[in-house]
Amino acid sequence: GAGVSQSPSNKVTEKGKDVELRCDPISGHTALYWYRQSLGQGLEFLIYFQGNSAPDKSGLPSDRFSAERTGGSVSTLTIQRTQQEDSAVYLCASSLEGGGRGDTQYFGPGTRLTVL
Amino acid sequence: DAKTTQPNSMESNEEEPVHLPCNHSTISGTDYIHWYRQLPSQGPEYVIHGLTSNVNNRMASLAIAEDRKSSTLILHRATLRDAAVYYCILLNNAGNMLTFGGGTRLMVKP
Repeated sequence: GAGVSQSPSNKVTEKGKDVELRCDPISGHTALYWYRQSLGQGLEFLIYFQGNSAPDKSGLPSDRFSAERTGGSVSTLTIQRTQQEDSAVYLCASSLEGGGRGDTQYFGPGTRLTVL
Repeated sequence: DAKTTQPNSMESNEEEPVHLPCNHSTISGTDYIHWYRQLPSQGPEYVIHGLTSNVNNRMASLAIAEDRKSSTLILHRATLRDAAVYYCILLNNAGNMLTFGGGTRLMVKP
């Protein structure tokens, strides 16, 4: 079956511009996660959606970052007024249920964002 | 938050077993221990997870210490395709990945 897909695969933008990154989770997965990975670094948690509950935004680094998930499926991560330190690979993952029940997360290929 | 520590890198010969350690001395009773790996230029991939008992699947085995303060991922026969960064992660009841080790870069020599 189809896995997690993300678009675009690469995005180059100028400092100060807004960008939108899209994630299509696996059909039927109720939990969706956004992470970012800077060059040579581990994963940094950004935000978590679980069903109709309010998202956990505790990992968002600043108020320039926001995300939404429409209809419990597709999610969009928006970065306003991009800065060079926002350059990273942005990864999306989905899981069947979420929660601490040992749920497996399935990752998309990521969007590589470069801010010039 | 509970943290994990892993060696930065390890080397193995092809066809030999590999034991990747992870320390998580401040783990809480509700934290699951997950292992993911990341091949070059790819998103992370699930390997295995456990809570208290040792676990086996087609990819690997997970040995969890009795006090749960450490665990070991075991690849029974390393192949060149197993060369990746292996992350030991604690997943709590909130369902989001709060805690990451630095990961261990596994290099497999032919």
